[in-house]
Amino acid sequence: DAKTTQPTSMDCAEGRAANLPCNHSTISGNEYVYWYRQIHSQGPQYIIHGLKNNETNEMASLIITEDRKSSTLILPHATLRDTAVYYCIVRVAYNYGQNFVFGPGTRLSVLP
Amino acid sequence: DTGVSQDPRHKITKRGQNVTFRCDPISEHNRLYWYRQTLGQGPEFLTYFQNEAQLEKSRLLSDRFSAERPKGSFSTLEIQRTEQGDSAMYLCASSLDYRTADGYTFGSGTRLTVV
Repeated sequence: DAKTTQPTSMDCAEGRAANLPCNHSTISGNEYVYWYRQIHSQGPQYIIHGLKNNETNEMASLIITEDRKSSTLILPHATLRDTAVYYCIVRVAYNYGQNFVFGPGTRLSVLP
Repeated sequence: DTGVSQDPRHKITKRGQNVTFRCDPISEHNRLYWYRQTLGQGPEFLTYFQNEAQLEKSRLLSDRFSAERPKGSFSTLEIQRTEQGDSAMYLCASSLDYRTADGYTFGSGTRLTVV
């Protein structure tokens, strides 16, 4: 079962920052937070992952609370192409046979 | 090699027929995964390979399903005697082995419709 809780849906105005929350209160010390997104009719796309420090790449920023029980994915300037389902997953970092378990995710709609 | 390729993109079949899907992973990736996704749900894990060895199978993978990766490169997923409940998107992904923390790279999927 998925170990995370996300809102079912969110809206964001084009050009504004999209902040997608995720709760993972039972996260273990060796588990990372991963984010994927899935644009309609495509496969999921890996976005970012982190352990406890904030992370940033060309797609997004990941902010993890100090107690690691929740995190926020930030798309700094959302565009219409960012409309997608966003999945937050916790998992051990290395592929020791543990697979990604996807929940229903958050459906983000970026509005013009 | 630009990503994970899946073929066909769409397949419509009659109930009771057999179907086979193909996945070509990123060439240097030695792990390959199959997931299934039904409408409105997140992807569900089916099985994965480390090179040619099938290391794990989900309970979702009934006896009618079989997956192979004969030479550790491409993989096939076959469904025998298809049922309407098999209608779904079948997703393939690949990754390097355990020595990386990176996420998986997914293909665009094969959408199966059983009529």
